[in-house]
Amino acid sequence: AQKVTQAQTEISVVEKEDVTLDCVYETRDTTYYLFWYKQPPSGELVFLIRRNSFDEQNEISGRYSWNFQKSTSSFNFTITASQVVDSAVYFCALSWAGSYQLTFGKGTKLSVIP
Amino acid sequence: DAGVIQSPRHEVTEMGQEVTLRCKPISGHNSLFWYRQTMMRGLELLIYFNNNVPIDDSGMPEDRFSAKMPNASFSTLKIQPSEPRDSAVYFCASSLGGTGAMNTEAFFGQGTRLTVV
Repeated sequence: AQKVTQAQTEISVVEKEDVTLDCVYETRDTTYYLFWYKQPPSGELVFLIRRNSFDEQNEISGRYSWNFQKSTSSFNFTITASQVVDSAVYFCALSWAGSYQLTFGKGTKLSVIP
Repeated sequence: DAGVIQSPRHEVTEMGQEVTLRCKPISGHNSLFWYRQTMMRGLELLIYFNNNVPIDDSGMPEDRFSAKMPNASFSTLKIQPSEPRDSAVYFCASSLGGTGAMNTEAFFGQGTRLTVV
């Protein structure tokens, strides 16, 4: 079975702090894809990153970085020097070769306090 | 590119009424998805189209729900008759991924917040 677990339901940090959002996935497939989406208060779902199972290199994009570890089935997301605009619900998602749908985690609500 | 466009953004309707949600996918994308988001169940896939053909509608909750994609640039999700438990945010998404290959990212619209009273 395919499953995505985001154990942190809500996180609050003070602006400029670093914060890591955890994502643990389960799949029997050897080829799969992991995603992160951001849902700001306005409601839309914004694509952040896609990573395939054969690429374990960490990725950095500005203040965002992602740590993919197959050994622990985790795909964690870190925001460095958080800002109020980072306040949102963040979803981790999984898809696998031969599938067309995304399996989403329950999301982590991040509140960045000024 | 304007992204995936959904309308209306908000819909309030009375129980028993017909509701139609609309979606315009990103030009050139051949896969279209309808998702529903609720507090209880999170994000769940309702139906998937590839090249305008419904491939999987197993997520459609009941016969009251129907979806069409008459052409590559337009899709509708209809609920008839609507019930209070249908209240949710409905998202349309599109991607370049073909059947059996979710290897590209899906881009989501802004969603339609449906309230059935």
